[in-house]
Amino acid sequence: GAGVSQSPSNKVTEKGKDVELRCDPISGHTALYWYRQSLGQGLEFLIYFQGNSAPDKSGLPSDRFSAERTGGSVSTLTIQRTQQEDSAVYLCASSLGPSGGGEQYFGPGTRLTVT
Amino acid sequence: GQQLNQSPQSMFIQEGEDVSMNCTSSSIFNTWLWYKQDPGEGPVLLIALYKAGELTSNGRLTAQFGITRKDSFLNISASIPSDVGIYFCAGRRIYNQGGKLIFGQGTELSVKP
Repeated sequence: GAGVSQSPSNKVTEKGKDVELRCDPISGHTALYWYRQSLGQGLEFLIYFQGNSAPDKSGLPSDRFSAERTGGSVSTLTIQRTQQEDSAVYLCASSLGPSGGGEQYFGPGTRLTVT
Repeated sequence: GQQLNQSPQSMFIQEGEDVSMNCTSSSIFNTWLWYKQDPGEGPVLLIALYKAGELTSNGRLTAQFGITRKDSFLNISASIPSDVGIYFCAGRRIYNQGGKLIFGQGTELSVKP
């Protein structure tokens, strides 16, 4: 079946502009996660959505970062007034939720470059 | 943010050799996962572990959930060139809010034919 998809695959933007990154989770997965991966580093948790519950935003690095999940499916991560340190690969993952054992499946990522 | 201590950071081995890498934490985890990431791709799940002491295999890969719940290791036997990539451990803590995973820094594996 279809895996997690993300768009765009690459995004180059100027410092100060806003960007939107999109994630389509695996059908039937109730949990959705956003992570950030800087060059040569592990993954850093950003935000987690589970069903209709309030999202866990504890990993968002600043108030310039926000995310929405509409209809329990597609999610959009928005970065306002981008800075050069925001350059990274943004990865989305989905899972079956609390009953699914924690196995998260990742999309291919969006590589963001802020110039 | 918090990360697991993963070692080694990189390995250069000959094709056919066995590989071992591990992750440790100061906190207890209730789930350990091992992922492989190829350049330009997202991480791909290799093995999932849910019980202390659990030993699980997936082909030439074997992983164990440490008895103390604070560590895990991954072994690759008889390595082949397509094993090249970055391997990440990831864990979910007991009482962790939500299902977020905490990741190690990765082990970059290079295999010489």
